[in-house]
Amino acid sequence: GENVEQHPSTLSVQEGDSAVIKCTYSDSASNYFPWYKQELGKRPQLIIDIRSNVGEKKDQRIAVTLNKTAKHFSLHITETQPEDSAVYFCAASRGGSQGNLIFGKGTKLSVKP
Amino acid sequence: SAVISQKPSRDICQRGTSLTIQCQVDSQVTMMFWYRQQPGQSLTLIATANQGSEATYESGFVIDKFPISRPNLTFSTLTVSNMSPEDSSIYLCSAPGSIRADTQYFGPGTRLTVL
Repeated sequence: GENVEQHPSTLSVQEGDSAVIKCTYSDSASNYFPWYKQELGKRPQLIIDIRSNVGEKKDQRIAVTLNKTAKHFSLHITETQPEDSAVYFCAASRGGSQGNLIFGKGTKLSVKP
Repeated sequence: SAVISQKPSRDICQRGTSLTIQCQVDSQVTMMFWYRQQPGQSLTLIATANQGSEATYESGFVIDKFPISRPNLTFSTLTVSNMSPEDSSIYLCSAPGSIRADTQYFGPGTRLTVL
């Protein structure tokens, strides 16, 4: 069946450094790739998303890249801050249904001051 | 974004009982989605709730265990039936954004503990 692989499962960086989280997906029909940040006890919060007709998208310190041929997409956070510490989930749509999402297992990011 | 609310926020239930979770969205949406997040785990789609038709369930989830209602374009319920401790999870609904309909947002979740 379809799946999304996410790496690494944990990531620890110093404040100010960059963090990169990588995902691969298997469904060739996936066309929507959101990233969610989840703090302890809170709902997943959409931080950035990208569609398959775009290779890169940036929003301030956050960027996402997509290589549709290789079925890879990555989250890049620059100038990390302690408040970036959370669990990050990547997801890929099943086919064209943006709400029918297959999630990666998550990356616990710790930013040390 | 979308304003999505859920009730209850948490509950502790006895095995064998049922709990109905409500999800309200601040705009009309065709499809709403129900996810489960087991403790310390990722999110898994339970079903898609379409207004005016039967819900579509993912592999491993069945209507008898997780009946869903979708009476209008802003509201849905998920019932967890005949609960066992393995049903202890966070249940979240999701829906498209009200400004950007091509995005997907989550409700605050319902934390369910089954004793």
